[in-house]
Amino acid sequence: DTAVSQTPKYLVTQMGNDKSIKCEQNLGHDTMYWYKQDSKKFLKIMFSYNNKELIINETVPNRFSPKSPDKAHLNLHINSLELGDSAVYFCASSHQTGGPSETQYFGPGTRLLVL
Amino acid sequence: GQNIDQPTEMTATEGAIVQINCTYQTSGFNGLFWYQQHAGEAPTFLSYNVLDGLEEKGRFSSFLSRSKGYSYLLLKELQMKDSASYLCAVWDSNYQLIWGAGTKLIIKP
Repeated sequence: DTAVSQTPKYLVTQMGNDKSIKCEQNLGHDTMYWYKQDSKKFLKIMFSYNNKELIINETVPNRFSPKSPDKAHLNLHINSLELGDSAVYFCASSHQTGGPSETQYFGPGTRLLVL
Repeated sequence: GQNIDQPTEMTATEGAIVQINCTYQTSGFNGLFWYQQHAGEAPTFLSYNVLDGLEEKGRFSSFLSRSKGYSYLLLKELQMKDSASYLCAVWDSNYQLIWGAGTKLIIKP
């Protein structure tokens, strides 16, 4: 039943490690997003994919690499984790980007803590 | 630069009415969203405005004035479960969603 799902929900890891977060949506949406929400609660767009193609890539370090094997999945791989990467990462999806009134549906979030 | 301003925190009483304001300065405008986010949970969609005026949806209403770069979310008959953060987000000319930091609403009995 879950519309947008992410795994894992919690991730605690050491500095320097490499980790991945997975996201899947079963809504038939064309566009998927990754957001980072820091301790001040700002939601910042990181990446946006439309039909497996990257359309937005904000100024995030290249240690972050999204991968979209198909339009229902958008995974986020992070290399050489740093303390500042600690945040909640949200995956979201929408029917299309650029269309009017396209609501984004969010996954439950992945709480990443880098020690 | 692009900027969205909302009050950081507001407090209201159960059963009352509260108005949460949002002002924005963005490169272009293609609509404004309000999302609700309970602590520890994902944001969920509340409303969308692209034309000036008031959109009413049950206890929640959202207003937009494009000429003033201003919106508000009006919550009536407040319930304890309305305690949450309320995020204002604007679609800019590139259909990129620019988010405010959110307003934490505390409801007291």
